[in-house]
Amino acid sequence: EPEVTQTPSHQVTQMGQEVILRCVPISNHLYFYWYRQILGQKVEFLVSFYNNEISEKSEIFDDQFSVERPDGSNFTLKIRSTKLEDSAMYFCASSGGDRERQTYEQYFGPGTRLTVT
Amino acid sequence: DQQVKQNSPSLSVQEGRISILNCDYTNSMFDYFLWYKKYPAEGPTFLISISSIKDKNEDGRFTVFLNKSAKHLSLHIVPSQPGDSAVYFCAASADGGATNKLIFGTGTLLAVQP
Repeated sequence: EPEVTQTPSHQVTQMGQEVILRCVPISNHLYFYWYRQILGQKVEFLVSFYNNEISEKSEIFDDQFSVERPDGSNFTLKIRSTKLEDSAMYFCASSGGDRERQTYEQYFGPGTRLTVT
Repeated sequence: DQQVKQNSPSLSVQEGRISILNCDYTNSMFDYFLWYKKYPAEGPTFLISISSIKDKNEDGRFTVFLNKSAKHLSLHIVPSQPGDSAVYFCAASADGGATNKLIFGTGTLLAVQP
């Protein structure tokens, strides 16, 4: 069964450093997302990406964040200068977004645990 | 911003009985609702969804009911099994374009006792 994969599973970085989190969405999906979950809190939307551009971003997704689909398979989230409060689980998701059948199920990867020290 | 609420942080059920997980929402623009199951250190796993044009959707042991007038949905699991023990998240989406971002509730920890 196709699945979303993410690397690395755990990333430790120092404050101020740049990190790139990588995702391989399900191959025939068209919509891509990043979410995060700070320990003990709810899963929060960061950004959605469709047709090679950002569709929507949340208030969390400030200028320190960027996303890219550098080739036909990878989808990356870059944090330019990490802060302590960026420590969280980051989940990538993808969706086929079938408007005709009105189905919008998003399938999530296993997550990357980012620890900023 | 509590657009999606799961008021029960935890629920304990005996194996074989029915588990009922509840979710309330405030945004009337939401038109698609999903339930996800999550184990520790894993990503959310999609379980079942329902469009706002329906009031019930069933898939095996899982049934989701939607009451639009009350802005309430529930997930029924019957019969419950110990392997169902996990955190269950309700999520909602509004068809406001190509984004379909999901707004999640805070989750309910379900424990199914053998």
